[in-house]
Amino acid sequence: GQQLNQSPQSMFIQEGEDVSMNCTSSSIFNTWLWYKQEPGEGPVLLIALYKAGELTSNGRLTAQFGITRKDSFLNISASIPSDVGIYFCAGRVQGGSEKLVFGKGTKLTVNP
Amino acid sequence: NAGVTQTPKFQVLKTGQSMTLQCAQDMNHEYMSWYRQDPGMGLRLIHYSVGAGITDQGEVPNGYNVSRSTTEDFPLRLLSAAPSQTSVYFCASSYFGYEQYFGPGTRLTVT
Repeated sequence: GQQLNQSPQSMFIQEGEDVSMNCTSSSIFNTWLWYKQEPGEGPVLLIALYKAGELTSNGRLTAQFGITRKDSFLNISASIPSDVGIYFCAGRVQGGSEKLVFGKGTKLTVNP
Repeated sequence: NAGVTQTPKFQVLKTGQSMTLQCAQDMNHEYMSWYRQDPGMGLRLIHYSVGAGITDQGEVPNGYNVSRSTTEDFPLRLLSAAPSQTSVYFCASSYFGYEQYFGPGTRLTVT
């Protein structure tokens, strides 16, 4: 089936550093969603993007819907220990159904 | 709003047993879906529904049944549990074209 390439697979950073991760696909998307999952919990929606070029922030998090409509980026500024978790991208293919395609996640570890 | 709720939170089954995982949402969302999450595999779609009375298969439907008699509820049935169905199961819902919201998950172990 459809796949999203999410990178990096994992990141180990120091508290205070900025973080960048991205998702790419060979297909054109009309929706990009970014989720965070903490151990033992369900994915929690962070940011939703619906328009090419859109840049949306949620506190220290900023995500962008790529101009080509085949990629999306998530940045976290000034990381803190509670940013630890797995971050997933997900998207809806243009002309496709309601089904979401998910990346395999970026595992973030923040050292205090 | 309670959002998306799932029960039970944990379950242990023996091979061959059947059970139903419950999912409910109070947001009047048309679209509901079930995923399983396994280490290194990400989230994989099992079944989904675009409205009451309408269901369809996702990526990994074998061994699971669903029905949707109301907008609010979307139960997932395991017909004859197998060790390969040991996983964490998430239910999600959304309005068409918008963001999906996930439940807290059911952790299932089949021995």
